[in-house]
Amino acid sequence: DTGVSQNPRHKITKRGQNVTFRCDPISEHNRLYWYRQTLGQGPEFLTYFQNEAQLEKSRLLSDRFSAERPKGSFSTLEIQRTEQGDSAMYLCASRKNTEAFFGQGTRLTVV
Amino acid sequence: KQEVTQIPAALSVPEGENLVLNCSFTDSAIYNLQWFRQDPGKGLTSLLLIQSSQREQTSGRLNASLDKSSGRSTLYIAASQPGDSATYLCAVDFTSGTYKYIFGTGTRLKVLA
Repeated sequence: DTGVSQNPRHKITKRGQNVTFRCDPISEHNRLYWYRQTLGQGPEFLTYFQNEAQLEKSRLLSDRFSAERPKGSFSTLEIQRTEQGDSAMYLCASRKNTEAFFGQGTRLTVV
Repeated sequence: KQEVTQIPAALSVPEGENLVLNCSFTDSAIYNLQWFRQDPGKGLTSLLLIQSSQREQTSGRLNASLDKSSGRSTLYIAASQPGDSATYLCAVDFTSGTYKYIFGTGTRLKVLA
């Protein structure tokens, strides 16, 4: 499968714990995006990388959130001290030119 | 503020019907527009991409049009099938330089057998 891969697919965590998600983009796609989607809503932009550089962060990305793309390939999104409001689907997308391709997402449930 | 709106929010049609989903956006300065399909609990599947310079794109039973001057795009689905049941999302890349998408809230489509 040469599409965008996200792991894990599902994560249940207790409030206050830290979680980390991984995204493997399509090979040679230099742009990588993280979005968050809550029930009944469209995805909302969180952050964007061009190669290894993080070029933009949404105001939705509080200081408990951090994202990295250390070698310009895979990316990780970490949430520290999770809150119930962090429960959502976290989607990763990659682009080389104009068309975006999305992964299957990581469903986070904070209990 | 750059916003994307999709109407209707939900739609239920009998199998075989042709249907139109609407997407409107607030700023005509767009880079491109992409339609996606999302099945429950799943990620997004790309359906059609329309570049700013294009007026329509077609793939199989799907046709998407773009009218930048009026800030509208439509997704036309011909001869709908139960397998078309899903949420359809419109995403607009406003000319911001980061090529990020602003999404509408989607249209939930149910095609009845």
